[in-house]
This record gives sequence, C-alpha cells and structure tokens, in this order.
Amino acid sequence: GAGVSQSPSNKVTEKGKDVELRCDPISGHTALYWYRQSLGQGLEFLIYFQGNSAPDKSGLPSDRFSAERTGGSVSTLTIQRTQQEDSAVYLCASSIPTGAPQETQYFGPGTRLLVL
Amino acid sequence: LAKTTQPISMDSYEGQEVNITCSHNNIATNDYITWYQQFPSQGPRFIIQGYKTKVTNEVASLFIPADRKSSTLSLPRVSLSDTAVYYCLVTRSYQKVTFGIGTKLQVIP
Repeated sequence: GAGVSQSPSNKVTEKGKDVELRCDPISGHTALYWYRQSLGQGLEFLIYFQGNSAPDKSGLPSDRFSAERTGGSVSTLTIQRTQQEDSAVYLCASSIPTGAPQETQYFGPGTRLLVL
Repeated sequence: LAKTTQPISMDSYEGQEVNITCSHNNIATNDYITWYQQFPSQGPRFIIQGYKTKVTNEVASLFIPADRKSSTLSLPRVSLSDTAVYYCLVTRSYQKVTFGIGTKLQVIP
C-alpha cells in the first residue's frame, strides 16, 4: 500500500520568499506530525494534528511557521519570509492514534528545503 | 518524558553482532522504549518496541533489564545495508516523541 508522501522532494528558494510543503498521510491515519531535521541533527518536533485539529503546536519555531490540515488528510506546512536558518529536511509522519505507547509513526521521505 | 543517552557513533564489521545501549534513568511506569532506524535521505522507520525483558522480531532484539533504566538494541550479523542512524526513544501515549541525535552505525566491509 501507499506510504506517506511529501512534495516537493526538494525546494530551493530565496530568502524572504514563502514556501508551502505538502504531506499526504497514509489513508485512514488520523494523526499527523511535522518534524524538522537540520544537517547532522536529530528530529525537532514542530506540530501534531489529530484529525483537522492541532492540539500541540508547541514546536513551531516562530510565527512565520504555520500548518493546516483539511479533510483529515492532506497537510500543508507554510513558512513565510524564509530565512537561511530554515534550511533543513522537513519530515511528515502519520499514525493511527491508539492512545497506547505502541503507536507507530510512519514517516515520509521528507522535503529538503534550501534557503539561499 | 525521560531523556535518553546513547553513543553518537559506532563502527562494526560485516557479519558481527552489534549492540547499541541506551540509558533512560528517569523512565516512568507508563513509558515504553522504542527504536527507529533512519537511512540517509529517508525518514525514520520503526524497528522494535518493548516494555521489559526481551523482545525479538525479524529485524532486531531488544533487551530491557528489570530496572528499565537502560535498553540494548541488538542487530544480529549486520550487513552494509544496516548502516544507518538508530534512535532510542521513550514513548508514552498522547505525548509527543523526542528524537535525539541517535547513534550513527557504520558497517565496514
């Protein structure tokens, strides 16, 4: 079956421009996560969706970052007025929230963002 | 959630068994231990999860002592394709997971 897909796979933009990153979760997965991974670093949690609601936005680094999810499926992460420090791989994951610690997150391949 | 500590990197020759130990001294009763694997240019992939004693699947084994303050991921007879970063996480329901830097395993021919 299809896994989590993300688009674009690579994005090069100029400082100050806005970018939109898209995530298509696995069908039926109601939970969706966004992470950021800088070169050589671990994953930094950004935001979590349960359905279309985002109960945890604590990881968004600034008000330039926002995310939405529609129809309980596709999610878009938007970065406004991009800065060079936004350059990273943005990873999306989805899961079926069971409320149990055994919940497994399935990750997409990521979007590599480079801000010049 | 409990903080985890694991080696930054490890090298191993092909065919050897690799053991990666993770410390989680402040693990709570409701916490599980979960390991993910990440290949270059890919997202992390779930490997194994356990609560106590030993868990084994087709990929790896996970050993957890009685005090649960540490855990050891065991990869039998590694091959070059096992070269990856391995993350140890402490997970609890309805809590966001935190991925640290992980352990970069380099398998040498």
